[in-house]
Formats: sequence, C-alpha cells, structure tokens
Amino acid sequence: KQEVTQIPAALSVPEGENLVLNCSFTDSAIYNLQWFRQDPGKGLTSLLLIQSSQREQTSGRLNASLDKSSGRSTLYIAASQPGDSATYLCAVTRSGRRALTFGSGTRLQVQP
Amino acid sequence: DGGITQSPKYLFRKEGQNVTLSCEQNLNHDAMYWYRQDPGQGLRLIYYSQIVNDFQKGDIAEGYSVSREKKESFPLTVTSAQKNPTAFYLCASSLLPGQGATSFSPLHFGNGTRLTVT
Repeated sequence: KQEVTQIPAALSVPEGENLVLNCSFTDSAIYNLQWFRQDPGKGLTSLLLIQSSQREQTSGRLNASLDKSSGRSTLYIAASQPGDSATYLCAVTRSGRRALTFGSGTRLQVQP
Repeated sequence: DGGITQSPKYLFRKEGQNVTLSCEQNLNHDAMYWYRQDPGQGLRLIYYSQIVNDFQKGDIAEGYSVSREKKESFPLTVTSAQKNPTAFYLCASSLLPGQGATSFSPLHFGNGTRLTVT
C-alpha cells in the first residue's frame, strides 16, 4: 500500500527566506506526483505536476523535484512572502490506480 | 468560468439521517473523485468515477454511496452506516489520458462541504 509522508508538519519562516518542503512515498511505481496548496477551509489548488519521466517542474518562485528511485520529492519556494502562508500537500498517482494518495501536508507560516 | 461547485458549504445533520452532498463540474472532465479530510490529515479517497454510470470504491468507501448519471454530476450520500461522518468533504475532477491529456492531468477541486453530524 502506498504511503506518503510530509516533513515537517509545520514550518514558520520570516519573509524573504528560501525554503524546502519534503515529501516521501513508499512505492516508486507512480505515474506522477502533484503539489497542492490549501488555504484554510478551502479546496486544493494544483501548483505543480511532475510526470514520472520528469525530474523537476518550475512555476514562478516554485520548483518541484522528483527522485522516483529514492521515493522523494521536494518543493522549493524562493523568496517567501506572507501570501505563501497555507498548507502544502503532495500526492502521487500510483500505477494501475487512477486516483491520488495524499500526504498529510506541511502547514507554512511566513512572518512579515 | 469553468470549475467545480460543491454545495452546500456547511451542512448539519442529526445522527441516523442520510445526507447527500452535491458536486457539479462544467470542465468537461470524465473523471470525478470524492475525498474526505479530517483535521491535520491528508485527503482520503472515498469513491471515484471515470465514466458515466460507472464508479469504483476508494480506500474508505464503507458507509458512503455515489451515483454518476450525468458527466457533470457526482453526488455523494453519507449514510447512517458511516460511523464518523463529521469531516470536510472535497470533490475533484480531471481529464483522463486520451481526453486531451498525455497523462493524468492536475486535479481541480471544489471548495468543499463541511459536514457536522450530532
């Protein structure tokens, strides 16, 4: 059974810092990995999707990497801003299973 | 604008009553999903559907039922058999390979329904 773990569970940083969020998964047979943002009481917004054949994806200040063999992904946020404060979740689509398995998220607080 | 609409945003029910959560999408997506989120936890898959009139159980389907009579709609019924129904319920949709996507596409989520059962 696929398990997805995110470390740390919570993170507080001052504005302007670069930061890294970690995601690990137990079964490397995945189709893709996605990073999402969730604001309190809201649904999820997809930030980046990395196909299993790719090593990284970039969107603005965000960069996500994927190392399938070691079962790890990182989300790098450059020059963090208070508006980045949210919970960030990673999720994987397993081979042969057309639905995502989610981690429990990292709650990020960027202090002005 | 295209998107996913979940209603209502808040729902209160007495224990022992069935309740149906609505999910509608106008994105022309074939695949639709229901997830449950408990405080401080990730999302857990309840049911998903890849085509009209067909759906599959997810990891925690017990006590729930769904229907997919139209492509745009995927309602979830929380039955009295669900032991801990109080939670935040999220509906999502996506393209499938062959539907204009080279592989699985990003999930689009609704804003959720918070169900409280007392």
